[in-house]
Amino acid sequence: GQQVMQIPQYQHVQEGEDFTTYCNSSTTLSNIQWYKQRPGGHPVFLIQLVKSGEVKKQKRLTFQFGEAKKNSSLHITATQTTDVGTYFCAGEVNNAGNMLTFGGGTRLMVKP
Amino acid sequence: NAGVTQTPKFQVLKTGQSMTLQCAQDMNHEYMSWYRQDPGMGLRLIHYSVGAGITDQGEVPNGYNVSRSTTEDFPLRLLSAAPSQTSVYFCASSYSGTGRYSYEQYFGPGTRLTVT
Repeated sequence: GQQVMQIPQYQHVQEGEDFTTYCNSSTTLSNIQWYKQRPGGHPVFLIQLVKSGEVKKQKRLTFQFGEAKKNSSLHITATQTTDVGTYFCAGEVNNAGNMLTFGGGTRLMVKP
Repeated sequence: NAGVTQTPKFQVLKTGQSMTLQCAQDMNHEYMSWYRQDPGMGLRLIHYSVGAGITDQGEVPNGYNVSRSTTEDFPLRLLSAAPSQTSVYFCASSYSGTGRYSYEQYFGPGTRLTVT
């Protein structure tokens, strides 16, 4: 079945450093979504990427979708303590109508 | 709007007991799903529904049953609880993406289940 791998599993950074998490799928995706889960909370939608090579920005967050639509990345510039949490990618295959396969997540810890 | 609500927030069961986790949404979403979250394993899909009266299995359906009699409610039943079902359970809903790519999913606050 479809697999979505995410690396790294954990990342400690000093406040102000940059952070990147990578997502790789074993199959071509129709689209990819990113979610953030604060400690003790529930996943919250951040963004969706649909087009090959697409790049979207949200303030200090930059999201990319690979040309082959099999990988994606989330980059945070100058991390802040409010960025702490686990970031998940979730991919959909063949417009399957909402069935998302989630990556294992990257837990980001920021030292002030 | 309350969004997606789940009850209970915490539950402790003994092996072999049964229970139902409740999920409700007030956004008129067609699609609802149940995930379990275990450390380091992300969110794994248990069951999902694309509308009232329609359910299907996800990645890890064994030991769980669902039904969808109304658009709003999507309960998850544990038939005979086992320690391997200790996890955090999230319900999610969205508009249906059938025929196009999916919409964003809205998650409930979760139920922390411990089976001893």
